[in-house]
Parts: sequence; C-alpha cells; structure tokens
Amino acid sequence: ETGVTQTPRHLVMGMTNKKSLKCEQHLGHNAMYWYKQSAKKPLELMFVYSLEERVENNSVPSRFSPECPNSSHLFLHLHTLQPEDSALYLCASSPGWGFQETQYFGPGTRLLVL
Amino acid sequence: AQSVTQLGSHVSVSEGALVLLRCNYSSSVPPYLFWYVQYPNQGLQLLLKYTSAATLVKGINGFEAEFKKSETSFHLTKPSAHMSDAAEYFCAVSLGGSQGNLIFGKGTKLSVKP
Repeated sequence: ETGVTQTPRHLVMGMTNKKSLKCEQHLGHNAMYWYKQSAKKPLELMFVYSLEERVENNSVPSRFSPECPNSSHLFLHLHTLQPEDSALYLCASSPGWGFQETQYFGPGTRLLVL
Repeated sequence: AQSVTQLGSHVSVSEGALVLLRCNYSSSVPPYLFWYVQYPNQGLQLLLKYTSAATLVKGINGFEAEFKKSETSFHLTKPSAHMSDAAEYFCAVSLGGSQGNLIFGKGTKLSVKP
C-alpha cells in the first residue's frame, strides 16, 4: 500500500450504532487530519494530530471521537450519529504541521446515517 | 482572518479551450496558497502551491496559477482543456504562523465537453 488509505470506503449506519473509520499513511508523515466534506460546503477541518498529540479540535460534536495510536494510524470513532452527519470523511497527512506543508489525502469514507 | 472565495461553483468548457478557475483570498499574513483537484470517488490531490518563491506557479497536468497580491487572487489556468480534466477543483489558503491548517473554498466543478 502506498500513500494514504482509508477503510471502509463506504459505511451505512443507524443512529444508535457505533462504528470506526480507519486511516493509515505510508508516507512517514508526522501530522494527520480528519476532514468532513458535505455537498455545497467547503471542507471542514475536524481534528489535527501532530506527533500523535491532538493540536486542533474544531468544535466537533462529542459523538465524533478521534484516536491516534501512532504517527501512521488515525481513527474516527462514531456513535449516536445524526442524519446530517452523512458526508464524505477524508483523512490527510503531511510531513509536519506547518503552514507550508502539503497535505496528502486518502480516498475518503462515504458515510450514510439512517 | 483567512478566507477563500471561488467564483463559480460550476464551469463548463469545450475540449481544447482555455480553462480559468477563479480564486480570491483574504489573509492577514503573507499567504501560502494551494490548488487541489478531486476526481470522482477519490480524495484531493495537490495541483500546485504558492510559497512566495515565484508569482507564477506551475503544477501538474499542465495547470498553472498566478499570485497577484494587488488583486488578492490566485486563479488557476490551463491553455487547453482535456476530457480528463473534468473534476472538482479547490483553492485553499494556509492559516500561517506555526499552524498547518488550511481554509478551503467551496470548490468549482469543471466539465469538459467534447
């Protein structure tokens, strides 16, 4: 595997379910990100981890819980989601957490909450 | 505060015609600017980025963008559109300082007609 991978690619869940999204980067990067992409809206940054420490949490509801066990893996744990949480969730990584860094994106997980 | 405006949510051109996608930014610090492309069912891929080294930036797939400070613009161009250019294009500005967070525009969907 190369680049940034995400699993699953598609997920359908009920509002009472608990599920997790997984992201893995094979680039040796030190920063990882979760974004939410909804139709007609800009990408919304959700969380940022730098060297496995959370450095950004953009007022995301607590029903989304990130986890970064090491610099290569990032999880997004989901529980009691709402239909408006249906979106494409994108993971990204960058060599470091700096303003000039290029972010490399995974293909995303398409989430549908029923 | 930094912000990005992309004029035109949808642009349609004929194959072989000039592609022009507009991006205007607002930034309280010298900006770092990015253009990303998203093909259907894929994540975002960096096309090019401006890091103050040169105002005309060349990217992949024949795209280029010119940074114009006086106009606070960073428009993306390609002299001759190809069918494979059909995708959604996102302009982004870096928050600057020590942070690596990006502010994205809403995106412009490019269609290429044969």
